[in-house]
Amino acid sequence: EVQLVESGGGLVQPGGSLRLSCAASGFTFSSYWMHWVRQAPGKGPVWVSRMYNDESSASYADSVKGRFTISRDNAKNRLYLQMNSLRDEDTALYYCARRSGSGGFYDTWGQGTLVTVSS
Amino acid sequence: EIVLTQSPGTLSLSPGERATLSCRASQSVTGKLAWYQQKPGQAPRLLIHDASSRATGIPDRISGSGSGTDFTLTISRLEPEDFAVYYCQEYTSSAWTFGQGTNVEIK
Repeated sequence: EVQLVESGGGLVQPGGSLRLSCAASGFTFSSYWMHWVRQAPGKGPVWVSRMYNDESSASYADSVKGRFTISRDNAKNRLYLQMNSLRDEDTALYYCARRSGSGGFYDTWGQGTLVTVSS
Repeated sequence: EIVLTQSPGTLSLSPGERATLSCRASQSVTGKLAWYQQKPGQAPRLLIHDASSRATGIPDRISGSGSGTDFTLTISRLEPEDFAVYYCQEYTSSAWTFGQGTNVEIK
């Protein structure tokens, strides 16, 4: 079964840091681009970051550029998101999502990990 | 940045009725548009990709159409499990964007 399981969310003060992790199983992780997508309460999903399958390139939404860093360990089948200088507006459910091998849509999502930024 | 506008915001229908959801893009996305269904406490689930191709396991009462800037998701006969929020998403730009969603609720 194809599965993505996120962890690492929690409550953090503004200006703080968190590292999210996504454990992949049931597929050849190293063959897929992987993304982080977040969803604030009551809002639609928003793309955050992506990394190519071979770790060669990463991209970020303007809202997180310079503060967040995506990485992956293909040997461990894991995707990461290092989040620094967190702001109130970063509060959201963070999903790990797999880009389909046949197109730019997401064919698999994790269950999400909640990040709350509050003093 | 491409902006996707979904309408209506809420659709109140009864089981067995037809649902028609719209997604309009601020510029052409050719056919690179997907639709997702999201139920409370769950992650989005892929329904349609490339504007009109059903994902694996999606029943044929759910269909997508459109190209360029105007797209439609149609559920021909609503089943109880179809009441949820639906999002469109484009994947032609460098920052894939989602619409704000249409809530299909039981009338």
